[in-house]
Amino acid sequence: AQSVSQHNHHVILSEAASLELGCNYSYGGTVNLFWYVQYPGQHLQLLLKYFSGDPLVKGIKGFEAEFIKSKFSFNLRKPSVQWSDTAEYFCAVAGYSSASKIIFGSGTRLSIRP
Amino acid sequence: DTEVTQTPKHLVMGMTNKKSLKCEQHMGHRAMYWYKQKAKKPPELMFVYSYEKLSINESVPSRFSPECPNSSLLNLHLHALQPEDSALYLCASSSGVKTANNEKLFFGSGTQLSVL
Repeated sequence: AQSVSQHNHHVILSEAASLELGCNYSYGGTVNLFWYVQYPGQHLQLLLKYFSGDPLVKGIKGFEAEFIKSKFSFNLRKPSVQWSDTAEYFCAVAGYSSASKIIFGSGTRLSIRP
Repeated sequence: DTEVTQTPKHLVMGMTNKKSLKCEQHMGHRAMYWYKQKAKKPPELMFVYSYEKLSINESVPSRFSPECPNSSLLNLHLHALQPEDSALYLCASSSGVKTANNEKLFFGSGTQLSVL
């Protein structure tokens, strides 16, 4: 069974700072990886996803993530955060053979100081 | 229309009540999901329907009973719930095509359930 870990529970940054949120997964086969974001009072939205090909994936709102297979990692990055990036960020994984079973990490709360 | 619509938005029920949560999508998606999310916790998968058939049940207690009447609708029937079942219940859908290359969950806003 797949699992996913996010070690940063709460990250506080100032505007314009660079962001990196960690995500590590466990699965013995090919995986599909996702980052979802939940803005305050809103529902979950997909930021970006990796299925195959270029391990550096670009998503919406200037976010990107890099899949490093040897490290079982899929860290989320943004070079310069904005106050509007304040949200909860969830990494998620689906094993390719069970593509419908998308499992979420515990989430990282990102707070941006204006 | 890229919406997943859930009703009601809020529900308060007693432990002896029977209630139902409803979810609807008109994107032609063939996979629909129920997730449960407690405050400050990630969504936990409960059920997955694929082409109107239950394909995944994550060992959910029988007091939760899912139903998929057609490809656009997903219900969650609730009976004899416990206070610890209080949570946000999220419905999601995806294309459901098994290649997985276009799997993307579209989430509804959820039903905030309180069990007294």
